[in-house]
Amino acid sequence: EAGVTQFPSHSVIEKGQTVTLRCDPISGHDNLYWYRRVMGKEIKFLLHFVKESKQDESGMPNNRFLAERTGGTYSTLKVQPAELEDSGVYFCASSPVGGGYEQYFGPGTRLTVT
Amino acid sequence: TQLLEQSPQFLSIQEGENLTVYCNSSSVFSSLQWYRQEPGEGPVLLVTVVTGGEVKKLKRLTFQFGDARKDSSLHITAAQPGDTGLYLCAGGRGGYQKVTFGTGTKLQVIP
Repeated sequence: EAGVTQFPSHSVIEKGQTVTLRCDPISGHDNLYWYRRVMGKEIKFLLHFVKESKQDESGMPNNRFLAERTGGTYSTLKVQPAELEDSGVYFCASSPVGGGYEQYFGPGTRLTVT
Repeated sequence: TQLLEQSPQFLSIQEGENLTVYCNSSSVFSSLQWYRQEPGEGPVLLVTVVTGGEVKKLKRLTFQFGDARKDSSLHITAAQPGDTGLYLCAGGRGGYQKVTFGTGTKLQVIP
């Protein structure tokens, strides 16, 4: 069974540009989560999808971040326009219905905004 | 903010030694997970504990959830170089599925 995959693995962009991160969850997992770790800090929750619906987006930093999950399969996280403080590692995780808090993480996308 | 403080932040030990990592909070959690993360990879789930006082063993790793469900510990017996990595605790509360991650403990086991 394939794990959670994320693309790209690294992205370097200039301040003001747009970047879109993609996450493919484990097949059949209805729950999909986005997290972020900025340098020196702990991993923090951004948002949670159940299928295509946003269940909880309380962790989204501001309206420059837009997450979508059309069709309830893969998800994208767009940052527009990117700022320096958006640099960090963005993780995606998925879990099945009833999976509780046990989440399966992807390898992350390292975003550097210069 | 439900902060999960881990200690120590960094730990460098010789192969064969024992160690304990602590995860403490002032908040009660419904469950607590331990993850290990290696460079360039995402966190990998090691264990989930849900009952106060619960102890789980995974080979040389022993996990304990505090009686009050506010803290947890991870004990490694006879550490191996393959245990090297970043250890993260993460707590979940109530019906919410988002988890709060701890500050992390970076472990290095020297051969």
